[in-house]
Amino acid sequence: DAGVIQSPRHEVTEMGQEVTLRCKPISGHNSLFWYRQTMMRGLELLIYFNNNVPIDDSGMPEDRFSAKMPNASFSTLKIQPSEPRDSAVYFCASSPGRGTRWVNSPLHFGNGTRLTVT
Amino acid sequence: QQPVQSPQAVILREGEDAVINCSSSKALYSVHWYRQKHGEAPVFLMILLKGGEQKGHDKISASFNEKKQQSSLYLTASQLSYSGTYFCGTERGGTSYGKLTFGQGTILTVHP
Repeated sequence: DAGVIQSPRHEVTEMGQEVTLRCKPISGHNSLFWYRQTMMRGLELLIYFNNNVPIDDSGMPEDRFSAKMPNASFSTLKIQPSEPRDSAVYFCASSPGRGTRWVNSPLHFGNGTRLTVT
Repeated sequence: QQPVQSPQAVILREGEDAVINCSSSKALYSVHWYRQKHGEAPVFLMILLKGGEQKGHDKISASFNEKKQQSSLYLTASQLSYSGTYFCGTERGGTSYGKLTFGQGTILTVHP
């Protein structure tokens, strides 16, 4: 099991540029989450998908942020245009999903993308 | 709504015990606990479902009091490897089913 794979590991870009973060969840997992981590705000949930469908995007900070999951094995988080305050570590996580209310579904996190916007 | 963790930081010597608390103002369906080492991703420790259950993982255990919307993580006979930041994640169920919101974290440092 390769785990959740994120790319790139590090991204440095200039303000105003478009940034695309990528995630490959664990095969067979039905739920996918995008989190952002900063010292000030901790781990914030941006958006999550069940079976490729966005369920809750209330954590997406602005219209500059968008996320897609075109199929079960790939998701992207795009920031356009990027700003210095977007600098953070972005984590993607997947879980087996929720077949019933009583199924334990731990989150498996990728190694994150450290984004720096100058 | 973000759960509240306490304390914010704990410093221990090897072999000492610690308790980390997590509380929510809303009714909870489940509580997750994760540990994150510096520069790494959070790693799952355990899940507790409503029902007041208690779970254990080596010398780390946790309880969940659904009436008080509180969970506690117990670390006994701490080891150097326990150092890291501990996060609780809460799930409220209903229309928020599957949505995991994390507390701000508790930094645990274990010294020799």
